[in-house]
Amino acid sequence: DQQVKQNSPSLSVQEGRISILNCDYTNSMFDYFLWYKKYPAEGPTFLISISSIKDKNEDGRFTVFLNKSAKHLSLHIVPSQPGDSAVYFCAAKAAGNKLTFGGGTRVLVKP
Amino acid sequence: ETGVTQSPTHLIKTRGQQVTLRCSSQSGHNTVSWYQQALGQGPQFIFQYYREEENGRGNFPPRFSGLQFPNYSSELNVNALELDDSALYLCASSLGLSNEKLFFGSGTQLSVL
Repeated sequence: DQQVKQNSPSLSVQEGRISILNCDYTNSMFDYFLWYKKYPAEGPTFLISISSIKDKNEDGRFTVFLNKSAKHLSLHIVPSQPGDSAVYFCAAKAAGNKLTFGGGTRVLVKP
Repeated sequence: ETGVTQSPTHLIKTRGQQVTLRCSSQSGHNTVSWYQQALGQGPQFIFQYYREEENGRGNFPPRFSGLQFPNYSSELNVNALELDDSALYLCASSLGLSNEKLFFGSGTQLSVL
């Protein structure tokens, strides 16, 4: 039972263009959503988050959008840079701080 | 401020053996969570420790057990290893139970042969 899904396993984008990563969830009890970024041989690092009471949160080049009715969130990276090449995980939480992760999207930003 | 550190970084065991993985939480963090990340998948929650007590457990059998010590460091123990236990084991620390931002270590890559 995959409660958080990232349907695109990989994404390739040209430097300077927009990267859009998508995530769908099924559990209506999720109240907080996060994106983590992971480089090889490193642990995931927190990128940006959004509470279920908001529909948008922005931090520099990163913006997360939440559509509660569709149970969908997306991460926009503008402009994409080669250093953004990594695996991105969408995560969600209900009560407490146990996180449920999606399967990840590997992003490759081409110079 | 030191980050989350895990040891060892890599480990090879054979089926049926037991393994102990270790984690030092980030300075000041009193909550430690363990996650298993199989190849090509996202991390899966194993359990969480808060003030030396287990506080929540995912869908893992009892042969996965843990400890948290007074200095908030933690151990993950796995008994009777199975081939499917081969994965990256990630430790994450946070301050308190309601803090969503977890700080992850680099993980221990466990291979079971």
